[in-house]
Amino acid sequence: DAKTTQPPSMDCAEGRAANLPCNHSTISGNEYVYWYRQIHSQGPQYIIHGLKNNETNEMASLIITEDRKSSTLILPHATLRDTAVYYCIVRDGNAGNMLTFGGGTRLMVKP
Amino acid sequence: EAGVVQSPRYKIIEKKQPVAFWCNPISGHNTLYWYLQNLGQGPELLIRYENEEAVDDSQLPKDRFSAERLKGVDSTLKIQPAELGDSAVYLCASSLTSGTQAFFGQGTRLTVV
Repeated sequence: DAKTTQPPSMDCAEGRAANLPCNHSTISGNEYVYWYRQIHSQGPQYIIHGLKNNETNEMASLIITEDRKSSTLILPHATLRDTAVYYCIVRDGNAGNMLTFGGGTRLMVKP
Repeated sequence: EAGVVQSPRYKIIEKKQPVAFWCNPISGHNTLYWYLQNLGQGPELLIRYENEEAVDDSQLPKDRFSAERLKGVDSTLKIQPAELGDSAVYLCASSLTSGTQAFFGQGTRLTVV
């Protein structure tokens, strides 16, 4: 899998949007961008994924640049419960490829 | 719908002792994964099962680690003998197929003393 680069930590004020960046400059055409998060003492939780179009679900929005070399996960109204480690992962769209986690971004939502 | 269930939640053992972890995946999920997560790091894949077949175990330290998934449902991961460096969280995940979204259990936190 292509490698990703994320800032190790970020802070966000409660109620504000949290924008988490990810660089994946070596991503190939059939690789998807996945985002997972891990709240303390829990297993990773799927958030969203996309190939080249922007995606939105009830949890977040994913913005992928036109050249697909970077993406941003947006939590529109961060709450204290969004404090977690957020992992950006690129994954081949073919069956048989697993998740390769990096260090992630530790997001701290502050009151 | 029940999620991925792992037990025990916590385990403390002395070094050189054996230990086993159990995982019950989401019903109907054919693919099962075991991950290892060291403190402050992201999870690392140990082994992947497609039904009862281990199709990717290249990262599993086979001298002391073993895994099985009898009947293609529940799975156990065993360490014998445990070493101090095995202290970590062991995560189980499952997915409908290997190309679909994976769901994780809460993990088993192992402490070897």
